[in-house]
Amino acid sequence: AQTVTQSQPEMSVQEAETVTLSCTYDTSENNYYLFWYKQPPSRQMILVIRQEAYKQQNATENRFSVNFQKAAKSFSLKISDSQLGDTAMYFCAFLKGAGGTSYGKLTFGQGTILTVHP
Amino acid sequence: EAQVTQNPRYLITVTGKKLTVTCSQNMNHEYMSWYRQDPGLGLRQIYYSMNVEVTDKGDVPEGYKVSRKEKRNFPLILESPSPNQTSLYFCASARDRAADTQYFGPGTRLTVL
Repeated sequence: AQTVTQSQPEMSVQEAETVTLSCTYDTSENNYYLFWYKQPPSRQMILVIRQEAYKQQNATENRFSVNFQKAAKSFSLKISDSQLGDTAMYFCAFLKGAGGTSYGKLTFGQGTILTVHP
Repeated sequence: EAQVTQNPRYLITVTGKKLTVTCSQNMNHEYMSWYRQDPGLGLRQIYYSMNVEVTDKGDVPEGYKVSRKEKRNFPLILESPSPNQTSLYFCASARDRAADTQYFGPGTRLTVL
């Protein structure tokens, strides 16, 4: 079974600064996907970024980028130029790739609460 | 408006009283899924469905049932709720597969006394 670990229960950052959220995972699979989801106080879950394991290039979405280290099984999220609206809980998630059993099963980490201070 | 809807949004019930939480999406998505969110545990998948009449267990299926008779609906059934099922529940859907962007419903806060 896959496990996803977010070791930082809470983080804080000043507006306009950069912050990195950590995520590690454990799997024996070679084909998989990794995600970061954001949950603001409204509770709405929103996809921030997705990484396919076979792609060596790190995914980027505007101010959000990842550092994907496949050998180390690490998938950190970097938020640049932090904004007040980035205040939320962030979840890392793992999805096994297609071609076997349990495709469709998504495993989440425990979450990291990020607070952006003005 | 493309969306995933859940009903009810809030529910307080008693142990053993059967209940159903409905989930509906209007995006013609193939994939649907149920999660529960508990403090310190993140989200945990209960059941998922890759298509109509196809459902599979997630990590915490015990005490829950689902059905997928139509593409748009994926109800979550608690036959005999217990206090340890008190949680925040989310339904989600994705276009073709779980790796596509998942669109989440607003959540259902369930309390079982």
